[in-house]
Amino acid sequence: RKEVEQDPGPFNVPEGATVAFNCTYSNSASQSFFWYRQDCRKEPKLLMSVYSSGNEDGRFTAQLNRASQYISLLIRDSKLSDSATYLCVGNTGTASKLTFGTGTRLQVTL
Amino acid sequence: NAGVTQTPKFQVLKTGQSMTLQCAQDMNHEYMSWYRQDPGMGLRLIHYSVGAGITDQGEVPNGYNVSRSTTEDFPLRLLSAAPSQTSVYFCASSYSSAGGSSGANVLTFGAGSRLTVL
Repeated sequence: RKEVEQDPGPFNVPEGATVAFNCTYSNSASQSFFWYRQDCRKEPKLLMSVYSSGNEDGRFTAQLNRASQYISLLIRDSKLSDSATYLCVGNTGTASKLTFGTGTRLQVTL
Repeated sequence: NAGVTQTPKFQVLKTGQSMTLQCAQDMNHEYMSWYRQDPGMGLRLIHYSVGAGITDQGEVPNGYNVSRSTTEDFPLRLLSAAPSQTSVYFCASSYSSAGGSSGANVLTFGAGSRLTVL
């Protein structure tokens, strides 16, 4: 079993929809999590850090459920520009202990 | 601020050739790292450095060397390229390598280097 697992998608949603992705992790020692956004053929860019139960930034909300070992990303009022791959990252300690999921692809359509 | 700069963006090599991927950051980051990204797999750590003169192996170090003579630069050397090293390589840095919730260990990535080994 992969340490961080994501549904690869693609999730195809219309503009304005609300969409949620889940990311499950197997290492209970994971201390913090990150969601990165990666556009096609570009580098990952930080979307959100999650150090406690969750985080919210505008249309984006991340929630951490330590009991069930998953972290979710909710995107409200989806925009065409939200189309990208979203990488879930777990951290069990220092920066060299990051574990990346394979990503969930989101396609927002008109 | 340029952030993290990687060169070259694209490279084609023949099996057995050697080359160096360059990475430079101008943010005075302590921590620097190299990842490779392959289809169907998450980013995998090749080598990392927690400061000038200090390097260590990551998850997939075989076939690669690194050095950190300055805070700014962290080149990745492919010693004898193999087709299995065809990948997209990302250099990433952070202010600190320490854990915790300060945000100091959040990675900033370079634009990537696409390497094809024939």
